Amino acid sequence: DIQMTQSPSSLSASVGDTVTITCRASQSIRTFLSWYQQRQGEAPKLLIYSVSNLKSGVPSRFSGTGSGTNFTLTISSLQPEDFATYFCQQSYNTLPYSFGPGTKLEIK
Amino acid sequence: QVQLVESGGGVGQPGKSLRLSCEASGFTISRSPMHWVRQAPGKGPEWVAVISFDGRNAYYRDTVEGRFTITRDNSKNMVFLQMNGLKTEDTAIYYCAKFELGVSAFDVWGQGTMVTVS
Repeated sequence: DIQMTQSPSSLSASVGDTVTITCRASQSIRTFLSWYQQRQGEAPKLLIYSVSNLKSGVPSRFSGTGSGTNFTLTISSLQPEDFATYFCQQSYNTLPYSFGPGTKLEIK
Repeated sequence: QVQLVESGGGVGQPGKSLRLSCEASGFTISRSPMHWVRQAPGKGPEWVAVISFDGRNAYYRDTVEGRFTITRDNSKNMVFLQMNGLKTEDTAIYYCAKFELGVSAFDVWGQGTMVTVS
């Protein structure tokens, strides 16, 4: 099974800051990498698919890069509604699809 | 409005059974593989099971294989998860999720239903 890790596990930032979250896969997943946002008490919500493609309606301050085993999610000019937990997820090749443990973005 | 609504969660004793349901609205599930994903408190989501478009094929994570069964009724736009032989480690919020093949991601999620095994 492919294992996903994320760093940091938590992050404090202020409105207007730019933050970067890293996700690593235990083997190459090419570009089969998605990012999800989960606000407290809500279901995860798809933000980015195939590393860098924003789902319709997602603000352009969100961006993703990477390939193979190393990926990043960058959020520019943080807004109050961006404070949430972010998960990466791989869907390469075979099941089980796996998620990272999450990065909690908190307001400083 | 595209929506998934789960039901059937609750408290179950170890070894007992629960059946979860997921009803879709705003789209037809017959075009998509449908999944169950769970999330234990304070943890990342964990994929549980998938069923193919036509219900002919289903796959499970190792820890639920042989205990859980995923089914679907495309005529009712619904997906189900029969959970037998419950274990305390099955405690989690269970989400029904649509996997969009075109983007290779879970693009629609339900609100989740809590399952507590105790």
